[in-house]
Parts: sequence; C-alpha cells; structure tokens
Amino acid sequence: GAVVSQHPSRVICKSGTSVKIECRSLDFQATTMFWYRQFPKQSLMLMATSNEGSKATYEQGVEKDKFLINHASLTLSTLTVTSAHPEDSSFYICSARGPSGGYEQFFGPGTRLTVL
Amino acid sequence: AQKVTQAQTEISVVEKEDVTLDCVYETRDTTYYLFWYKQPPSGELVFLIRRNSFDEQNEISGRYSWNFQKSTSSFNFTITASQVVDSAVYFCALSEGNGGFKTIFGAGTRLFVKA
Repeated sequence: GAVVSQHPSRVICKSGTSVKIECRSLDFQATTMFWYRQFPKQSLMLMATSNEGSKATYEQGVEKDKFLINHASLTLSTLTVTSAHPEDSSFYICSARGPSGGYEQFFGPGTRLTVL
Repeated sequence: AQKVTQAQTEISVVEKEDVTLDCVYETRDTTYYLFWYKQPPSGELVFLIRRNSFDEQNEISGRYSWNFQKSTSSFNFTITASQVVDSAVYFCALSEGNGGFKTIFGAGTRLFVKA
C-alpha cells in the first residue's frame, strides 16, 4: 500500500513551452503533497507544499507563477512548469503524506524534465 | 529552523568493508522524525528507516544499523560488510510537526563500493 505515481517519467520539451507533471496517490487519499526539485548531484530541495482544496505554499525563492501547483482532489496534485527554459531542466519528485497523516511521506518515482 | 548536515560528500570503500554515514541535525521542535533514504542511479528514493524523537533505541536490519543520539543530534547509518549493490546516494532527512510536516534533506553522501 501507500504507492505514489508520477507521470510522465521523462519529458523533453522546447524552450518556452509549458509542461505538466502529475502526482497521484494510488491507494490512499493525500490531503498534503510536496514537490521537490533535484539538480544533478545535488540534494532534494523542497519547492512547495500542496494542500487539497487550497493554494500551495511555496518555499522562499520559488516562483509561484512559474511553477503552478494544483491539488484538485485527494489523490492528484499537478505541477506545471510554465514557459520552461533550459535552467528548469531537473528531476522533479513529489511525495504525499501517508494515509494515517503524521510524519511519514511516500515518494513518487520522479520526473526527469529536459528543456532544449 | 530545521537543518540536516551530511558532511561526507563521497565515500569509497572496498567490498566487505564496514562504512558509517554521518548525519547531524538541528531542530527546535521536541517532536520530529528522522529518515534515511537510498537513491540508486535510477533516481527513485528508497525508504530505509524512520525514527521519532522519542525513540532513541538503535536499530539493526540485516547489514544496516542506525545509531540515534539526541545528545549529539546525530543519526548515523552503518552498513556492515558492504556490497557493490550498496553503491548509491544516501540521504538523511528531518521532518518537524511545526514545519508543516515538510521534510528537509541533507546534501547526501555518495557511496562507492568497489568489488
């Protein structure tokens, strides 16, 4: 149980286009999901906290108009990278708080974004 | 504010050696969780252990063991008799209740195990 999926696993796009990444909790409801970004050979950096039915909370330095987050249901959160540029190329990972709430998080397999 | 420090950037060992990965954390919360994750080249995080702030018992799981010491704010991870398949990046992480349950990761330690 407690499986989180991400789609797509890889995406290549041209500079200036927008890309949507989906994060789904497959067998539990997640009121809170988190989005992380990981550059090569670096750690995971928290971008934002996504709460179902409300606006996301962005970490300092993350442009909310650039990285649009929508958590429209208890099993789906989406991250849209708008007007993507090569510097947005990264590994994006989502996680969801477990079915019992609390501190446990379940991570998705990640989405590798390459912007040409 | 919460912080996790993994001072070892890279460690290289020969198979069958024991290796310890260090983790030091900072938090003002009395209630928190500490985690260790493994990230193989595929990129997907593999959960290894979760420990809450009220449980200082050390834990052993096969070749893996963890030493949690609140007095030194450390949560170290030891791999006994390392194997080539242990080669990966290992992250220590901290989650505070007062921080909205978000998890902060250390910089990671890249472990190379040579045959």
